[in-house]
Amino acid sequence: DSGVTQTPKHLITATGQRVTLRCSPRSGDLSVYWYQQSLDQGLQFLIQYYNGEERAKGNILERFSAQQFPDLHSELNLSSLELGDSALYFCASSVLSLAGQDEQFFGPGTRLTVL
Amino acid sequence: LAKTTQPISMDSYEGQEVNITCSHNNIATNDYITWYQQFPSQGPRFIIQGYKTKVTNEVASLFIPADRKSSTLSLPRVSLSDTAVYYCLVGDNTNAGKSTFGDGTTLTVKP
Repeated sequence: DSGVTQTPKHLITATGQRVTLRCSPRSGDLSVYWYQQSLDQGLQFLIQYYNGEERAKGNILERFSAQQFPDLHSELNLSSLELGDSALYFCASSVLSLAGQDEQFFGPGTRLTVL
Repeated sequence: LAKTTQPISMDSYEGQEVNITCSHNNIATNDYITWYQQFPSQGPRFIIQGYKTKVTNEVASLFIPADRKSSTLSLPRVSLSDTAVYYCLVGDNTNAGKSTFGDGTTLTVKP
C-alpha cells in the first residue's frame, strides 16, 4: 500500500459525458502527478501540482483539467469523453525535495471505460 | 529533457541474473536515474535510484558509467514474480513531472 488513494476504482460512462477522478496523496506529500495509461501503452504524464499550484504540464488534452485543493487532494476532470479516453488513470504523489529526483508513490489507479 | 531508450522486451529464466540497459545520451548534470517496476493493472513502484557509479539495495543494483549516458538495472536471481514492466526515468525535481516514463521494458521470467 503506497498511501495514495484513488476513487473510484472503476468508472464506466458514455461518449460525450464528463467524469471526475479523485486522488488523495500520501500524508506529508505536497506534489501530485496525474498519468494516463492506455492498454499496453507506457505511462503518459498529464499534469503535476505542487501545494495547490500547477507545476508542470504534459500531454493533457484541453478537454481535461485538474486542480489541487487546500487539503492537497486532487481531482482530474475529463469532459466530452471519447472512446479513446478509455484508460487507466494513475495519480502519484511525492514530497518534492529541493534537490534530486523524488520517488513517486503511485495510487492503484482508476480504470475508465468509455462506451 | 533527457530522452531514454530501453529494449522493448526481454526474456529470462528463474534463477538467472537480468540486466536491463537504458540509454540517456543527453542526461543533464543535475539529473538522477530512477527505475520503477510495474505489474499489470497496478501503479509503478520505485526500485532504485542513482546519480553515478553503483548503487545497491535489497532488490537490485544500478550501474552507471562515468559518462552517465546509460545505466543498467541488475536483478539478481530473478523469479517468476519479477515478470513486469521496468521503466527508466531520468530527471530532477526542477523538471519533475516532465520526466517521461516511456514504454519501458517488459521482462518475462520463465520457469
